[in-house]
Amino acid sequence: QSLLTQPPSASGTPGQRVTISCSGSSSNIGSNALNWYLQLPGTAPKLLIYRNNQRPSGVPDRFSGSKSGTSASLAISGLQSEDEADYYCAAWDDSLNGVVFGGGTKLTVL
Amino acid sequence: EVQLVETGGGLIQPGGSLRLSCAASGFIVSSYYMSWVRQAPGKGLEWVSVIYTGGATYYADSVKGRFTISRDNSKNTLYLQMNSLRAEDTAVYYCARGGSKICSSTSCYDYWGLGTLVAVSS
Repeated sequence: QSLLTQPPSASGTPGQRVTISCSGSSSNIGSNALNWYLQLPGTAPKLLIYRNNQRPSGVPDRFSGSKSGTSASLAISGLQSEDEADYYCAAWDDSLNGVVFGGGTKLTVL
Repeated sequence: EVQLVETGGGLIQPGGSLRLSCAASGFIVSSYYMSWVRQAPGKGLEWVSVIYTGGATYYADSVKGRFTISRDNSKNTLYLQMNSLRAEDTAVYYCARGGSKICSSTSCYDYWGLGTLVAVSS
């Protein structure tokens, strides 16, 4: 079981706004930066949000991240069919001295 | 252009050893922290190990004592020596780069390789 908890699935229709949550603890999200990754089927993960709410160059502003206390969330607005993918959150854990990933959320665009 | 190319995967019997390589181009491996992340078939991402610029290393509890991360600066290559392999080590193994201008926090990886599949089975 992952130390970062994500819902296993999420869905929305084109144009909608969806959010994906990531819940952790004081030793990970509560004290370290949170990053989000997107993984399309059969491909390597791609950095989507870094340092809680920053977008790398090339990531559309439809994607946004936020963090409060020991929880974080990823919001996707103006949902598009190509957003259908698996989404993972990740943070360093001070107790484990290692990186912890969320279990992943499979986003379906209906 | 930054590129990471993993090699060395394959089918191995339980208890066997394998060494994965990750050849980097477009940047100097020793100037960034580098990690291995794996993904079992149909499962999520699992962090395996990290090596920092100064040489410090950390491992997931699931591989501690069996896996060793290292780098060869002359070859600009990252390695993962895997010993005493178990069926639960079966996964695609990705190498990933962190410690860039945007990825200053560990757990942030801005470049990933395509991965190499390790299958542990008798």
